[in-house]
Order: sequence, then C-alpha cells, then structure tokens
Amino acid sequence: EPEVTQTPSHQVTQMGQEVILRCVPISNHLYFYWYRQILGQKVEFLVSFYNNEISEKSEIFDDQFSVERPDGSNFTLKIRSTKLEDSAMYFCASREQGISIGYTFGSGTRLTVV
Amino acid sequence: GIQVEQSPPDLILQEGANSTLRCNFSDSVNNLQWFHQNPWGQLINLFYIPSGTKQNGRLSATTVATERYSLLYISSSQTTDSGVYFCAGIIQGAQKLVFGQGTRLTINP
Repeated sequence: EPEVTQTPSHQVTQMGQEVILRCVPISNHLYFYWYRQILGQKVEFLVSFYNNEISEKSEIFDDQFSVERPDGSNFTLKIRSTKLEDSAMYFCASREQGISIGYTFGSGTRLTVV
Repeated sequence: GIQVEQSPPDLILQEGANSTLRCNFSDSVNNLQWFHQNPWGQLINLFYIPSGTKQNGRLSATTVATERYSLLYISSSQTTDSGVYFCAGIIQGAQKLVFGQGTRLTINP
C-alpha cells in the first residue's frame, strides 16, 4: 500500500535554529498538508498546498513557517527560528484529486526544541 | 462551536472485551475518517467513512451522516489496540481535516 514518508523521525534542535522537515507524498496525490500535534493534544491543521501554492493556512502558520515543493516528489516544512513551543509531532498528509477519498498521513517527525 | 467531539475521553478495558467509541460532528463537517495513534505517535488510517458501515477484521465503523455521528467498534480487544483513537472530518468549503480530541483506549492483559 502506498505510503507518505517523513524524515527525520525525530529531530532535536536548539532554540533559534532553523529546521526543515521533509515529506514524500504518495506519487499520484495532488493535495498536500502539514499538521501539528503538541504532546497530549489533538492534531491541528497548519497548511494545505495545491498546484504549487498554499491554498489555506491556519493562524498557527505564521511568518516563521514556510512550505515548498522543490521537486516532483518532496514537500518540506521549514521553521525559520524555532521556539520552545514549536516542540510537537509534525505530520505530513496527502490525498488524491476529489473529496471522496481519505487523507493518508505520514508517520510523523517528532521535533524537540531545547 | 465544537465541530468534532469524541467520547469517552478515556476507556480502560480488559483484553477480550468489546468497545464502542463515539464521534459527534457538526453540520459544517463531513467525510469522516477514523485514525489510531499508536504508542509511537504514528497516525494509522482505519476507515474513511462518510456514511454507512465498513468492517476490517475486528474493527468496524458506522456513520449516520443525517444524525451527525459516527461509531467505531472494536471487538475482542487486544493489548495492541491500545492508543488514542481520533475521528476527523472535512470542514465544508475548505480542504482541511478537523480532529476531535481523541479517545485514549487502554487494553490491559
């Protein structure tokens, strides 16, 4: 079964450093997403991406965040200057064209900011 | 208002028991999905179930869209079923999933 692949699985970074989280969505999917889950809380939407541009973003997705699809396979989330409160599990998801199919999530990157 | 609400928040059962998890969702939410988050934090797709009933082994799910609820059934629970179960739906007019708070299921041997 096709998978969404995320790397790294765990990243520890110092406050103020830049991090890039990487995702390889399922190859024929057209919609891409990043979600975040702070420990013990529910999963929150960050941003959606379609046709090489952001289609929607949440209030969480401020100027320190950016997304990019640098080539035909990768989808990245960059956090420019990490804060302690950015510590969370970050999930990438993708889905096909059309609403009548579910989302497929990656296994997540656990980001720890120290 | 609350868009996706799950109950109970916590459920502790003995191995072999059956369980029912509930998800209520508001009028602005459709296209329900159920996920299992395992102890390692991974989100595993269980069902995409906008309406009707689906079964996969010991798990089944039913969504009654007209009454705005979905149920996840787990029969003959095993310790590996432990974790947090989330339901999520798509906000109408948007492309994003909104998640419930989850039900933490603990299956004791």
